[in-house]
Amino acid sequence: EAGVAQSPRYKIIEKRQSVAFWCNPISGHATLYWYQQILGQGPKLLIQFQNNGVVDDSQLPKDRFSAERLKGVDSTLKIQPAKLEDSAVYLCASSLWAGTGELFFGEGSRLTVL
Amino acid sequence: DQQVKQNSPSLSVQEGRISILNCDYTNSMFDYFLWYKKYPAEGPTFLISISSIKDKNEDGRFTVFLNKSAKHLSLHIVPSQPGDSAVYFCAASAGTGTASKLTFGTGTRLQVTL
Repeated sequence: EAGVAQSPRYKIIEKRQSVAFWCNPISGHATLYWYQQILGQGPKLLIQFQNNGVVDDSQLPKDRFSAERLKGVDSTLKIQPAKLEDSAVYLCASSLWAGTGELFFGEGSRLTVL
Repeated sequence: DQQVKQNSPSLSVQEGRISILNCDYTNSMFDYFLWYKKYPAEGPTFLISISSIKDKNEDGRFTVFLNKSAKHLSLHIVPSQPGDSAVYFCAASAGTGTASKLTFGTGTRLQVTL
């Protein structure tokens, strides 16, 4: 079974530039999550999708972050414009359905904002 | 507001000995707890979980204990092996279904020495 795929693995940009991350969840997983993990901290949920609908985006900085999950499969997370404090690893995860707690994570996309 | 706390950033244990990783939480609504393990440059992987209706769950060398009155849980690894060296995250969720989401602690880095 293929795992959660993410790209790019690494990205370096300057502040005020934009960046996009892509995630393809495990086949058949209805729930998709984007987490932000800043160095030395635990992952923090940014947005949760159930199929192609948003369940929770309460911690997503909507003035600069956006995410979509068209057709309920893969997803993109965009940051525009980026700030220095956005430097982090962006983890995508999926689960069969919400509430199981057993999330399957991708390897993450490491963003460095200079 | 850190609802899930792992107060020990690092732990070093000799191979063959017991590793005990601790986690405290403040939200009394949490009813499902999980431990994730993370190797460098990889996403977290699910290790073991426990529901609030139990006080112990065992899976091979890994046992999680839950003390609801103290709002404390611990992960025991016996015997510890060098391959267990990783960062361990405690996570908790409240409710079920689409309303539930995981809140992670800051992680404890375990080093198992020969």
